Amino acid sequence: AQTVTQSQPEMSVQEAETVTLSCTYDTSENNYYLFWYKQPPSRQMILVIRQEAYKQQNATENRFSVNFQKAAKSFSLKISDSQLGDTAMYFCAFMNNAGNMLTFGGGTRLMVKP
Amino acid sequence: DAGVIQSPRHEVTEMGQEVTLRCKLISGHNSLFWYRQTMMRGLELLIYFNNNVPIDDSGMPEDRFSAKMPNASFSTLKIQPSEPRDSAVYFCASSLYKSFPETQYFGPGTRLLVL
Repeated sequence: AQTVTQSQPEMSVQEAETVTLSCTYDTSENNYYLFWYKQPPSRQMILVIRQEAYKQQNATENRFSVNFQKAAKSFSLKISDSQLGDTAMYFCAFMNNAGNMLTFGGGTRLMVKP
Repeated sequence: DAGVIQSPRHEVTEMGQEVTLRCKLISGHNSLFWYRQTMMRGLELLIYFNNNVPIDDSGMPEDRFSAKMPNASFSTLKIQPSEPRDSAVYFCASSLYKSFPETQYFGPGTRLLVL
């Protein structure tokens, strides 16, 4: 079974600065997908970014980018130019290539300070 | 395009009552997932369907929980009888089966409180 670990329960960052959230996972598979979801106080789960394991290039979506290290099984999320609206829980998730089930990490609570 | 729709958004009920949560998939999607989120256990997958067929219900906590897809775009999650420990936020998510990756899009959730 796959496991996803987010070792930072809480983080804070000053507005306009950059922050990196860590995620590691455990799998014996070679092809899989990784996701970051954001959950603001409204509780809505919002897809932030996704990465296919067979792609070497790190995914980027505007201010959000990932550092995908396949050998190290690491999938960190970098948020540049942090905004107050980025305050949320962030969940890392793993999906294997054989199915469509997501395994979530425990989440990191990010606070962006003015 | 409309996203995943869940109703009700909030539900307060008394122990022993029946609770029905509803979910409408994104148009064109054919996989449906029910999750439960609590502080203690985080996000847990309860059950998922592909093309209206339940594929994995190993996460359903007990016989008091049941889920159905009466048609391709709609699902219900029923708890009967409800208990205080069922209090949680319940999410449904939908995806397009066999798309790669099968990105799941979540609804806004139903916050359930059982007194």
